[in-house]
Amino acid sequence: DARVTQTPRHKVTEMGQEVTMRCQPILGHNTVFWYRQTMMQGLELLAYFRNRAPLDDSGMPKDRFSAEMPDATLATLKIQPSEPRDSAVYFCASAGDSYNSPLHFGNGTRLTVT
Amino acid sequence: QQQVKQSPQSLIVQKGGISIINCAYENTAFDYFPWYQQFPGKGPALLIAIRPDVSEKKEGRFTISFNKSAKQFSLHIMDSQPGDSATYFCAASSGGYQKVTFGTGTKLQVIP
Repeated sequence: DARVTQTPRHKVTEMGQEVTMRCQPILGHNTVFWYRQTMMQGLELLAYFRNRAPLDDSGMPKDRFSAEMPDATLATLKIQPSEPRDSAVYFCASAGDSYNSPLHFGNGTRLTVT
Repeated sequence: QQQVKQSPQSLIVQKGGISIINCAYENTAFDYFPWYQQFPGKGPALLIAIRPDVSEKKEGRFTISFNKSAKQFSLHIMDSQPGDSATYFCAASSGGYQKVTFGTGTKLQVIP
């Protein structure tokens, strides 16, 4: 059963430290998304890629967040420096090519910045 | 600007009852309306979806009702079961692209 894999599942770090979250999309899916989930804001789209090219990162604080796809099997989301307000669950999702192909989410990385 | 408004925030229903979650949207370009279900510690997963050319879609105990003129849609869960206890998100997208705008979520609890 194909699924999106995210690592780490949990991350606790101190303010100011760099955080890198990784995602392995489903093989063959060409669209990859990063979402952030908080109680206050719900699910916010941070960035998404199609065929490894960034299409939209308007939801991401540019000064500290960066998202990349070094290859088709790996997407990364980096926060540098991290702040307590970045504490949230970060989800990666991937989708195939077909019209309205559903999003397949990973189980998220729970980030706590102290 | 919240493009998809969802209510209620939380819902408690007795086993066997009907759970109803409502959503409203503003962007008339939206042409695809999925619902996602999320269990604790998991990512959301697609439950059911509808296009605006139909007014209702049913899959098992789950039904989406869609009112294009009112720009509203709702999820009905018939014969609700404790295993349906989860957070439900309505969503919308346009143009066949998977860039999806999510509602704020409804936490459903079905009590025995």
